[in-house]
Amino acid sequence: DTEVTQTPKHLVMGMTNKKSLKCEQHMGHRAMYWYKQKAKKPPELMFVYSYEKLSINESVPSRFSPECPNSSLLNLHLHALQPEDSALYLCASSQDLADRVGLFFGSGTQLSVL
Amino acid sequence: SQQGEEDPQALSIQEGENATMNCSYKTSINNLQWYRQNSGRGLVHLILIRSNEREKHSGRLRVTLDTSKKSSSLLITASRAADTASYFCGAAGNKLTFGGGTRVLVKP
Repeated sequence: DTEVTQTPKHLVMGMTNKKSLKCEQHMGHRAMYWYKQKAKKPPELMFVYSYEKLSINESVPSRFSPECPNSSLLNLHLHALQPEDSALYLCASSQDLADRVGLFFGSGTQLSVL
Repeated sequence: SQQGEEDPQALSIQEGENATMNCSYKTSINNLQWYRQNSGRGLVHLILIRSNEREKHSGRLRVTLDTSKKSSSLLITASRAADTASYFCGAAGNKLTFGGGTRVLVKP
């Protein structure tokens, strides 16, 4: 299994809602990532987990809360989002950190905040 | 913040022609990676070149890296309609950050 699976594929939420994005991989990768991508822009790094511990937080607002319950799963909890948070959220994983190997990306969750 | 820029921002070629795109980055790196993205979906890793390498080939892809100029290029030879996508370079220091991307259209 060489896939990174993200659910849901699409999500519409109001500014007062709480929702979660989920990401799963079964490749035994020990690093997992969240990226945010606006239309026609490059992906922007949000969080990096290494061996289930948060190693990088790119000064992301606290309304985004990552969680890594185990080595195969990565969640992104969303609360009180703003319309400008609407974007494609991409999860990725890698055998080692990105300074050594390439990343496997999921297909993303297209998020719309109303 | 973005690591650097890609050039050109968009490229339109005929099937069978070669496509060349360039990437510049700002900080020191361990490697430089190229990815393809179709229609706003997930990125697909194409090739990784390490900082001590100058050129690398993979199938129809050729990547060069000039660390003195902090730049890299990706050449796709004998392009196909299926190569139509956005291409991003990723500069990997202590984290992987992406350039602005090049949108490539290959016309049949």
